Amino acid sequence: NAGVTQTPKFQVLKTGQSMTLQCAQDMNHEYMSWYRQDPGMGLRLIHYSVGAGITDQGEVPNGYNVSRSTTEDFPLRLLSAAPSQTSVYFCASSYLPASGGTDTQYFGPGTRLTVL
Amino acid sequence: QKEVEQDPGPLSVPEGAIVSLNCTYSNSAFQYFMWYRQYSRKGPELLMYTYSSGNKEDGRFTAQVDKSSKYISLFIRDSQPSDSATYLCAMSESYNNNDMRFGAGTRLTVKP
Repeated sequence: NAGVTQTPKFQVLKTGQSMTLQCAQDMNHEYMSWYRQDPGMGLRLIHYSVGAGITDQGEVPNGYNVSRSTTEDFPLRLLSAAPSQTSVYFCASSYLPASGGTDTQYFGPGTRLTVL
Repeated sequence: QKEVEQDPGPLSVPEGAIVSLNCTYSNSAFQYFMWYRQYSRKGPELLMYTYSSGNKEDGRFTAQVDKSSKYISLFIRDSQPSDSATYLCAMSESYNNNDMRFGAGTRLTVKP
């Protein structure tokens, strides 16, 4: 299994440009999420999904869109990039136990994004 | 004030030392406490998970939770150079990734 994969590894954008960060997992996990990691801030949840066709906002959703058309893929779209979105972005996935809640998250290797 | 506070370090110790990593928090409703390890240029991976107060041991790693003081710790015994990484604490009210709050991480270097 490849686990959680993310592309690209690095990206530089100019202010106002749009782009999509790709995330895929091959573990048949229902739950997928996007985080951003900034120095001194820890990981913060942007958006998450509990299954195909279902998405919801996390702690810092503004400026980002997501969709979940398949179990495997969960792309993150930046509509109009701003310097404040310079960060390292991590995608993660986990099972949804029948008993409720979520399970251990498996993280991808991250995408380093710089917005000039 | 952040919900979760973690000293960013960096922390440098000699091989074989006992390492103590700590986090404090303000939300008394947190019940689930986790430690993640993140190697350079990699995603975090779950190291240990504890529910409510008490200790949990896994090999060279021990996690402690003191809910009365809102303080959690991770101890690493007989530290190895391969333990060099950033350690993130995380906590949530329910066993649900949606409401998990992370500390900023402590960067640890174990020197041979």
